[in-house]
Amino acid sequence: EVQLVQSGAEVKKPGESLKISCKGSGYSFTSYWIGWVRQMPGKGLEWMGIIYPGDSDTRYSPSFQGQVTISADKSISTAYLQWSSLKASDTAMYYCALDGSGMQAFDIWGQGTMVTVSS
Amino acid sequence: DIQMTQSPSSLSASVGDRVTITCQASQDISNYLNWYQQKPGKAPKLLIYDASNLETGVPSRFSGSGSGTDFTFTISSLQPEDIATYYCQQYDNLQYTFGQGTKLEIK
Repeated sequence: EVQLVQSGAEVKKPGESLKISCKGSGYSFTSYWIGWVRQMPGKGLEWMGIIYPGDSDTRYSPSFQGQVTISADKSISTAYLQWSSLKASDTAMYYCALDGSGMQAFDIWGQGTMVTVSS
Repeated sequence: DIQMTQSPSSLSASVGDRVTITCQASQDISNYLNWYQQKPGKAPKLLIYDASNLETGVPSRFSGSGSGTDFTFTISSLQPEDIATYYCQQYDNLQYTFGQGTKLEIK
């Protein structure tokens, strides 16, 4: 079964750093793009960026370029989303999602990681 | 950036009704348009890809159409379990944009 399993909820203070993870299983991790999607409380979906773990080719939404870093460790089939200095406005649910068919559609989603940033 | 305008933002309909949601792109995106369903507290689920192709396992009451800049998502006969928020999403050369979402409620 193809799965993406994300790391658990985080509570952080403004200015702190954070790295959340998304572990893929049941498929060839290096062969398919994995994206990250933000959902702020009560709001819609926002595409943040995408990575191809095979060669770490990464693309960002202009809205998130420079704000976050997307990476992957293919040795442990895990993608990451990280912040160097969190803001209260980063409070949101973050989903990883797999383009498992190569059709630029996200057909498999992680369960989400809730990030709360509060002083 | 390609912008997606989705309408309506909310919709109330009765069980058995035909429901239609539209999505308009700010420029020609061919058929590079997907539709997702998100139920409260859950991750989104892919329903339609490439504007009109039904994802495996998705009930046939869901359908999509359109190309270029104008797209339509239809539920032919609304069921209680269809209560959710629906999103369109375009893709263009590994850049993606979601529509604002349509919250569907039962009347």
